[in-house]
Amino acid sequence: EPEVTQTPSHQVTQMGQEVILRCVPISNHLYFYWYRQILGQKVEFLVSFYNNEISEKSEIFDDQFSVERPDGSNFTLKIRSTKLEDSAMYFCASRKGDYGYTFGSGTRLTVV
Amino acid sequence: QKEVEQDPGPLSVPEGAIVSLNCTYSNSAFQYFMWYRQYSRKGPELLMYTYSSGNKEDGRFTAQVDKSSKYISLFIRDSQPSDSATYLCAMRRGSTLGRLYFGRGTQLTVWP
Repeated sequence: EPEVTQTPSHQVTQMGQEVILRCVPISNHLYFYWYRQILGQKVEFLVSFYNNEISEKSEIFDDQFSVERPDGSNFTLKIRSTKLEDSAMYFCASRKGDYGYTFGSGTRLTVV
Repeated sequence: QKEVEQDPGPLSVPEGAIVSLNCTYSNSAFQYFMWYRQYSRKGPELLMYTYSSGNKEDGRFTAQVDKSSKYISLFIRDSQPSDSATYLCAMRRGSTLGRLYFGRGTQLTVWP
């Protein structure tokens, strides 16, 4: 069964450093997403990406965040200057159709 | 924003019990309703989905949506220890953008 692949599975970074989280969505999907889940809290929407541009973003997705789909297969989330409160699980998802969301296993980001 | 409310539990039942999981929501624009299962430190996995009001059955699982009450349910019959996980409700509006709004998740343990 096709999978969404995320790397790395765990990333530890110093506060103020830049991080790039990587995702390979399912190849025939058209919509791509980043969500995050702070420990013990809800899964929260960050951004959606369609037709090579951001289609929607949440209030969390401020100027410190950016997304790219540089080569037609990878989908990346960059956090420019990490804060302690950015520590969370970050999930990439892709979608085909109304319900066909597939989530990756996540990247656990720890900011120290 | 408390768009989707879900009792986090934990819920602990014996093997073979019927489990009832529920969510309420406030946004009447939600049209697509989903249930996800999430194991510890893994991504959400789609379990069931329904459109608008009504019931849907798949094996031991039944999903119900009551839009008039803004209430959705997931029933698990003949529960098994392998059903032990966190169950997340999720929903979205009818637009194509597809941002999902999640409940907090209910942690379920089925003991033998």
